[in-house]
Amino acid sequence: DAGITQSPRHKVTETGTPVTLRCHQTENHRYMYWYRQDPGHGLRLIHYSYGVKDTDKGEVSDGYSVSRSKTEDFLLTLESATSSQTSVYFCAISQVGSSTDTQYFGPGTRLTVL
Amino acid sequence: AQKITQTQPGMFVQEKEAVTLDCTYDTSDQSYGLFWYKQPSSGEMIFLIYQGSYDEQNATEGRYSLNFQKARKSANLVISASQLGDSAMYFCAMRGPGAGGTSYGKLTFGQGTILTVHP
Repeated sequence: DAGITQSPRHKVTETGTPVTLRCHQTENHRYMYWYRQDPGHGLRLIHYSYGVKDTDKGEVSDGYSVSRSKTEDFLLTLESATSSQTSVYFCAISQVGSSTDTQYFGPGTRLTVL
Repeated sequence: AQKITQTQPGMFVQEKEAVTLDCTYDTSDQSYGLFWYKQPSSGEMIFLIYQGSYDEQNATEGRYSLNFQKARKSANLVISASQLGDSAMYFCAMRGPGAGGTSYGKLTFGQGTILTVHP
């Protein structure tokens, strides 16, 4: 599982409140990603990071921001949560080897915005 | 832009039989990678298999094999000897080029296929 943890695993919040999701990895991977999963859409990339303090937008970045102040942690923040951000959020890392290329996912965070 | 299409919303297979899950992709990149993931009802995303666009041999991992037909832009997953535990959602995904670069590893997913294995 590449040592990826996400916290919290479940969260219920109200519209308009800020929310921060944390992704933590223990294996010093350079690349980290945040995806959201919604019925009928598969997984879609929100933001990604290619190093400490180096981040960029993905396909569905509106309403989200990220930060990566150290290699092991990648934070996803919803500045003012909306009901449309109710989803399951997955963090992932890329592991690149000489003969393989694997992207591992964390266990996911189920977020409900009321 | 990259696109992944999984045309089978649901598939059924008898235990111990083989099943093929379809995946077609569209990209203008010469270098890319193709992935399959399994998502059981518990929700985690489990990596199954990877195929690089320059790999000449089809990838295999135990009972999983990837039938890569580059000219047809297809990357079908074959599961041999299906087991009840194979019942899950299966996603095909693609990443673009840029190994080592700033945009490396971003995945585009298909909408998934639900596989049900009958005893």
